[in-house]
Amino acid sequence: AQSVTQLGSHVSVSEGALVLLRCNYSSSVPPYLFWYVQYPNQGLQLLLKYTSAATLVKGINGFEAEFKKSETSFHLTKPSAHMSDAAEYFCAVTTGAGGTSYGKLTFGQGTILTVHP
Amino acid sequence: SQTIHQWPATLVQPVGSPLSLECTVEGTSNPNLYWYRQAAGRGLQLLFYSVGIGQISSEVPQNLSASRPQDRQFILSSKKLLLSDSGFYLCAWGRDFITGELFFGEGSRLTVL
Repeated sequence: AQSVTQLGSHVSVSEGALVLLRCNYSSSVPPYLFWYVQYPNQGLQLLLKYTSAATLVKGINGFEAEFKKSETSFHLTKPSAHMSDAAEYFCAVTTGAGGTSYGKLTFGQGTILTVHP
Repeated sequence: SQTIHQWPATLVQPVGSPLSLECTVEGTSNPNLYWYRQAAGRGLQLLFYSVGIGQISSEVPQNLSASRPQDRQFILSSKKLLLSDSGFYLCAWGRDFITGELFFGEGSRLTVL
């Protein structure tokens, strides 16, 4: 079984400040991990993904995430927040090929990011 | 390039009425297709997935059903809606089972009154 926990349902930062959104996962096999972003009343857009290559993953819009197996974490960061980053962010995990995962993603509860001027 | 379309975008239905949400994918063949529901404050819940025409797997027991009449068409249905069916429904497609990456439609917001 696999699960994802996102710490903090709401995060608020000032424009230009560091963004840190936390994600911890649980998986019995090596995971594939994702961060998605959702703007109001829209679908989800992939920010970045970890698929067992480099542990530091760079994504779109200046975001990056680091896979830390020892901490079972995949936190999302951005050095300087922009007003346009305000959205809801979801961490997701799948066990990928093998077993019966069929590419099904398990999502965290989401973190709403607010950016203040 | 691949695109995914969902309709209707917004729907308000009375309790007990039927439902049909449609999703189509263009620019790819034999995609894996998924229906997720997003309820306020509850993240995304996988409802159904399909690996081929006529092949539907249900993840949770519920009042809804899904069908895949064509390779790139995925339909979510209900015969009689419940209040608890309200939510934001997202269709997604995936290339394969290896990476698990999904591409989402714009969503359909259903309000049951």
